[in-house]
Amino acid sequence: GAGVSQSPRYKVAKRGQDVALRCDPISGHVSLFWYQQALGQGPEFLTYFQNEAQLDKSGLPSDRFFAERPEGSVSTLKIQRTQQEDSAVYLCASSPRQGPEKLFFGSGTQLSVL
Amino acid sequence: GESVGLHLPTLSVQEGDNSIINCAYSNSASDYFIWYKQESGKGPQFIIDIRSNMDKRQGQRVTVLLNKTVKHLSLQIAATQPGDSAVYFCAEGMEYGNKLVFGAGTILRVKS
Repeated sequence: GAGVSQSPRYKVAKRGQDVALRCDPISGHVSLFWYQQALGQGPEFLTYFQNEAQLDKSGLPSDRFFAERPEGSVSTLKIQRTQQEDSAVYLCASSPRQGPEKLFFGSGTQLSVL
Repeated sequence: GESVGLHLPTLSVQEGDNSIINCAYSNSASDYFIWYKQESGKGPQFIIDIRSNMDKRQGQRVTVLLNKTVKHLSLQIAATQPGDSAVYFCAEGMEYGNKLVFGAGTILRVKS
């Protein structure tokens, strides 16, 4: 398909476990964003990549959260020592332009921390 | 009205009627605005966007209005259909910025 692909679709983790969430953006898209969406709320910005450069990580809630995009395409969001408050849907979005215009979102990874 | 946590404002309309969803944005420096539709279990889907040098933009069955004086954005959907039922989010940002900031969302329910 031509859309943004995220895996896994669902992830259940025990508190304290490390998790890795994958995003395959639309081919050729320059910009990649990660957002966190709690139940019943709008998405909240986590971090932004332009190609392989992480230009903004101001939204990452703690140093347990880490994101990378080493070759400027696929990105991974890693959460270490997961806590219950990390339970949310993690959305990835990409754009063919620099910046946040016309973001195309994936379906997200629903993370549940028990 | 204001939304807090799970209590999103809800707009219920009859199929075929027009819908108007409102949004107040927060940053007077924002110059780019966008509406997204989100269905259950899916990511947000782009509907229409507008830059701050415009006050109206039309798409297919949708119109976005921007009032910078009162920092207000609205989405008008003509001839609302059952498939329009979803949560609608407005978002603001800057054209050369690093992120979009999303509002809390409005639930649109279309009655057949």
